[in-house]
Amino acid sequence: DVKVTQSSRYLVKRTGEKVFLECVQDMDHENMFWYRQDPGLGLRLIYFSYDVKMKEKGDIPEGYSVSREKKERFSLILESASTNQTSMYLCASSLARNAGYTFGSGTRLTVV
Amino acid sequence: DQQVKQNSPSLSVQEGRISILNCDYTNSMFDYFLWYKKYPAEGPTFLISISSIKDKNEDGRFTVFLNKSAKHLSLHIVPSQPGDSAVYFCAASVGGSNYKLTFGKGTLLTVNP
Repeated sequence: DVKVTQSSRYLVKRTGEKVFLECVQDMDHENMFWYRQDPGLGLRLIYFSYDVKMKEKGDIPEGYSVSREKKERFSLILESASTNQTSMYLCASSLARNAGYTFGSGTRLTVV
Repeated sequence: DQQVKQNSPSLSVQEGRISILNCDYTNSMFDYFLWYKKYPAEGPTFLISISSIKDKNEDGRFTVFLNKSAKHLSLHIVPSQPGDSAVYFCAASVGGSNYKLTFGKGTLLTVNP
């Protein structure tokens, strides 16, 4: 089974801090994604990547950046954390459309 | 502009009965649809999918129906079990090499023993 690992389950950061959320997948998937889940809003796409060094903006990229230096690792960066970035962050990877995504367990980030 | 809509935030059914979760979409370019299930404090897990060239796909207790003319899909769970209690997300994508999924807001299903 594909495993997608997010480095932290819970994080508490202060406003203005630079925050790194790490995601690693172990099945050589080309496609990786970052979503956030908020009550009443569902899952919203922040950034995605179809290959190493490639990145594309999703629906809500403002305040975020990403890094994909290696195929297995996709990092989400909050340049200057704000309280409205308090959320559940979900990383996913996929190989082909018919297989769907495999999600990590999520990182619940609280910005105080 | 919400392209994938799940208009029922919650649904409650009795164990053994059928659960029907609905999803509507507005983007006629969507040609692949998926359902995910999510338990609290876990990531969503892939459940079942359907291509726009089909109108039905079945996997055990789970069946997805697609009505392209109505831009509507539904997930049927028969028989429902208490372990099916979770949030269900409908998702859609556009053809080609774009694997980006657009998700609905989710429906919380509660199956009562």
